[in-house]
Amino acid sequence: KAGVTQTPRYLIKTRGQQVTLSCSPISGHRSVSWYQQTPGQGLQFLFEYFSETQRNKGNFPGRFSGRQFSNSRSEMNVSTLELGDSALYLCASSVQGRPLTDTQYFGPGTRLTVL
Amino acid sequence: DQQVKQNSPSLSVQEGRISILNCDYTNSMFDYFLWYKKYPAEGPTFLISISSIKDKNEDGRFTVFLNKSAKHLSLHIVPSQPGDSAVYFCAAIKAAGNKLTFGGGTRVLVKP
Repeated sequence: KAGVTQTPRYLIKTRGQQVTLSCSPISGHRSVSWYQQTPGQGLQFLFEYFSETQRNKGNFPGRFSGRQFSNSRSEMNVSTLELGDSALYLCASSVQGRPLTDTQYFGPGTRLTVL
Repeated sequence: DQQVKQNSPSLSVQEGRISILNCDYTNSMFDYFLWYKKYPAEGPTFLISISSIKDKNEDGRFTVFLNKSAKHLSLHIVPSQPGDSAVYFCAAIKAAGNKLTFGGGTRVLVKP
């Protein structure tokens, strides 16, 4: 079974631009979560999608948004990029998103650098 | 407000010895605790978990202990192997949500 895939793996953008990252979950998984990893803040939860609906949201500004398609693939978008958005963005999928029974499987991440 | 903390950023241990990683949390509403292992250029990989109603869970060389009164958990790796060299994150989650709250990670180096 293929794991969680994320594209692109690396991305360089400049301040003010916007970016879209993509995540393909494991086949059969309907819950997709996004996390941001930075040296200073560690791993922080962005949002979770289940059946095309955002179900949980972390404490990030509205510049961070996402969506999920009917095939469970998910995208996240960051608009008006800031230097502080440079981070590793990780996507995780699980079957139903029930934390006590579902394990979240992470993709390799997209390394975003904002210049 | 860091709800999950790993106070040791790094740990060095000799191959064959025990590695003990510690994690503290502040939110008593967490229902489930997990440990993830992360190699460079890869996403975190689930290692072991424990429910808040238990105080110990064991899986092969990995054992997690939970002390609810102290809001403290630890991961024991016995015996440590060079392939265990990685960054280990503890995480906590509430049953009502699907949001993992992570600690800052502990980098483990197992010396041959």
